[in-house]
Amino acid sequence: DAGVTQSPTHLIKTRGQQVTLRCSPISGHKSVSWYQQVLGQGPQFIFQYYEKEERGRGNFPDRFSARQFPNYSSELNVNALLLGDSALYLCASLQGVSYNEQFFGPGTRLTVL
Amino acid sequence: DAKTTQPPSMDCAEGRAANLPCNHSTISGNEYVYWYRQIHSQGPQYIIHGLKNNETNEMASLIITEDRKSSTLILPHATLRDTAVYYCIVRVGNYGGSQGNLIFGKGTKLSVKP
Repeated sequence: DAGVTQSPTHLIKTRGQQVTLRCSPISGHKSVSWYQQVLGQGPQFIFQYYEKEERGRGNFPDRFSARQFPNYSSELNVNALLLGDSALYLCASLQGVSYNEQFFGPGTRLTVL
Repeated sequence: DAKTTQPPSMDCAEGRAANLPCNHSTISGNEYVYWYRQIHSQGPQYIIHGLKNNETNEMASLIITEDRKSSTLILPHATLRDTAVYYCIVRVGNYGGSQGNLIFGKGTKLSVKP
């Protein structure tokens, strides 16, 4: 079975632009979480969605938004990009909110110039 | 902020056991201890979790002290492929609330050497 997939793999944007990152969870998984990982740090939680509803939000500005689609895939949007948004963006798939193990995708490397 | 304290780095000889410590002195009664690892340029990978009893799976063993204020992840026979950053995380169990909220610290960079 395919694991968590994310696209694109790499992305370069300039300050002020907007970006959309995509994630497809493992088949049968209904929950998706997004994390930001800045170089040298551990991943930081951004959002969790379950059954298309937001179930949790980390300490990130309103420039960050996300949504989950009926097929459980998800998009993360970041507006008005800043240099500090340069990071690895990770998507994690969870079968349901009563499961323990999160399965992470390979991430999208975003560089903001 | 992360609720755990881990050494920033450790070395281990290939074939030997790797023992990774974690302090979580403020852990609450309903919080579990989780371990994930992240191999360079990959997403984190779940290893094991536990509440108060010691746990073992095909990857590792988790030893939690009786007062639950610290734990040790044991990789019984480390290989070069175990070189990674290991994260110890405490969080509430799998019911209610924001289930996706794993709070990662900086972890321990384990280097397995030949």
